Amino acid sequence: EPEVTQTPSHQVTQMGQEVILRCVPISNHLYFYWYRQILGQKVEFLVSFYNNEISEKSEIFDDQFSVERPDGSNFTLKIRSTKLEDSAMYFCASRSYGDQPQHFGDGTRLSIL
Amino acid sequence: AQKVTQAQTEISVVEKEDVTLDCVYETRDTTYYLFWYKQPPSGELVFLIRRNSFDEQNEISGRYSWNFQKSTSSFNFTITASQVVDSAVYFCALTLNDYKLSFGAGTTVTVRA
Repeated sequence: EPEVTQTPSHQVTQMGQEVILRCVPISNHLYFYWYRQILGQKVEFLVSFYNNEISEKSEIFDDQFSVERPDGSNFTLKIRSTKLEDSAMYFCASRSYGDQPQHFGDGTRLSIL
Repeated sequence: AQKVTQAQTEISVVEKEDVTLDCVYETRDTTYYLFWYKQPPSGELVFLIRRNSFDEQNEISGRYSWNFQKSTSSFNFTITASQVVDSAVYFCALTLNDYKLSFGAGTTVTVRA
């Protein structure tokens, strides 16, 4: 069964550094999402992406965040200048069309030191 | 705005007991989808079930069943004859036509041998 793939599984970065989290969505999927889960808390929506542009973003997704689909297969989340509070699990998800459910990757655990 | 409430933070049972997880949602939209996801200790999010707002038929799928009642805005989930491998955090989630998921806070289920 096709899967959403996220790399790396764990990223450790110094505060203030830029970080790029990578996702390869399922190949025929059209809609892409990033979610965040701070340790012990619920999963929160960050951003949705369709047709090469952001469809919606949450209050969390400020100017430090950006997303890109550079080559038609990868879907990346960039944090420009990381803060301690960016430490979390980041999940990528994709879905095909209509009312099909989102499929999640295994997540990238981001630790900011 | 939509909201999902999972009032139970933790449930602990002995193997083979049934476990029912409560979920109450709020939305003003008439078209929406409800989901249950499982997050095992390894951290990934596993899609379990989905229901749309026009289908209140309750079903059983293996050891999983759900009880969707629009009159009380509830979407409860039951694991029958629980097993140790069912130990995980279970999230209820809601989405409207924009398909971004709003998650509840999660219920941690511990199944003891």
